[in-house]
Amino acid sequence: ETGVTQSPTHLIKTRGQQVTLRCSSQSGHNTVSWYQQALGQGPQFIFQYYREEENGRGNFPPRFSGLQFPNYSSELNVNALELDDSALYLCAGRGSGNTIYFGEGSWLTVV
Amino acid sequence: GNSVTQMEGPVTLSEEAFLTINCTYTATGYPSLFWYVQYPGEGLQLLLKATKADDKGSNKGFEATYRKETTSFHLEKGSVQVSDSAVYFCALSSYGGATNKLIFGTGTLLAVQP
Repeated sequence: ETGVTQSPTHLIKTRGQQVTLRCSSQSGHNTVSWYQQALGQGPQFIFQYYREEENGRGNFPPRFSGLQFPNYSSELNVNALELDDSALYLCAGRGSGNTIYFGEGSWLTVV
Repeated sequence: GNSVTQMEGPVTLSEEAFLTINCTYTATGYPSLFWYVQYPGEGLQLLLKATKADDKGSNKGFEATYRKETTSFHLEKGSVQVSDSAVYFCALSSYGGATNKLIFGTGTLLAVQP
């Protein structure tokens, strides 16, 4: 049990649409980060939020955006979906000892 | 920049065989090192970690030692089981300003046959 819960688990969107993925993290995980894992690849860091502010971003365009809420939940929003956005999206919370715990992920398919 | 390189798979072993999955890293400073496991259709689970040189992380029979002199963190298990079949990711924790992110290798698929 990692204390990180994501929804939805699977979804299919059409190219050009927008998607919102959600993450709920247990208290104590004051930093939340999002990763994209394409098929057959390792996860890639998208961005990190601390105290509701983005404080780090990987090599992803601005159409990837996020929010963090006071109750430790978080959202990842992707606008103008492209076929290459098809991937597993992982939310992660940082627990004790700076260990990062992942949720089960949301599988996004863009058609 | 910081990076992780791990051996390519798939690695196919018979049950009770010895497992080694190689991982080397490039990093400035003193990163923490991790092994994560991903079972089919699931997210990532932390398998073990080490936070400083010569530390040994261990869990469920798996071990890895943080070797600063060789910049390595090889994963080992003395006797694998069919249930160990999964993708294994080596990762390091990279600090940049206020950001603490994980940098992953490409993953190694392990297939254990009965």
